[in-house]
Amino acid sequence: DAGVIQSPRHEVTEMGQEVTLRCKPISGHDYLFWYRQTMMRGLELLIYFNNNVPIDDSGMPEDRFSAKMPNASFSTLKIQPSEPRDSAVYFCASSLGHLLNEKLFFGSGTQLSVL
Amino acid sequence: EDQVTQSPEALRLQEGESSSLNCSYTVSGLRGLFWYRQDPGKGPEFLFTLYSAGEEKEKERLKATLTKKESFLHITAPKPEDSATYLCAVRGSARQLTFGSGTQLTVLP
Repeated sequence: DAGVIQSPRHEVTEMGQEVTLRCKPISGHDYLFWYRQTMMRGLELLIYFNNNVPIDDSGMPEDRFSAKMPNASFSTLKIQPSEPRDSAVYFCASSLGHLLNEKLFFGSGTQLSVL
Repeated sequence: EDQVTQSPEALRLQEGESSSLNCSYTVSGLRGLFWYRQDPGKGPEFLFTLYSAGEEKEKERLKATLTKKESFLHITAPKPEDSATYLCAVRGSARQLTFGSGTQLTVLP
């Protein structure tokens, strides 16, 4: 299995531009999570989906952030407009929710730099 | 609100020098305590899940233990390849994991 695949690996953009991050979860997994990691705040949950439906988006910092999961094999996280404080590593993770020892499998992340 | 505190923030060990990392937590209805390893430029990689006080799990030089308020990750005779950031996370009544800030471990040859 290829694992969770994220793209791009690195994104450098200017303040005010739209940024789209992409994620392909592990085939068969029914939960998908978006996390953001910074030195100051560590790993923070932004939003998660179950069977393509958003369940909890309380971690989304503001209306500039949006996430979609149009099908079981693809999700996007969009920031519009981007700001320098959005600079962070964004991780996507997936899991099989019905397992007793459910664990999250993470992608390699997208390093976002907003200038 | 679930909370996880890890200590120390950073730890430097000589190869072969055993030590422990601490994870203190508060959670409503613990449904699992997780340890992950994160290497630079990569996503966290799963190590262990613990579910109840007194439980222990082992993997190579690592052993994780759990009490009602904290978990320890014991590293026995570490090697340089054990250098990484070790993250602790809890799952309470909600589905998501709440992570601590991690302990950055450096093992010197």
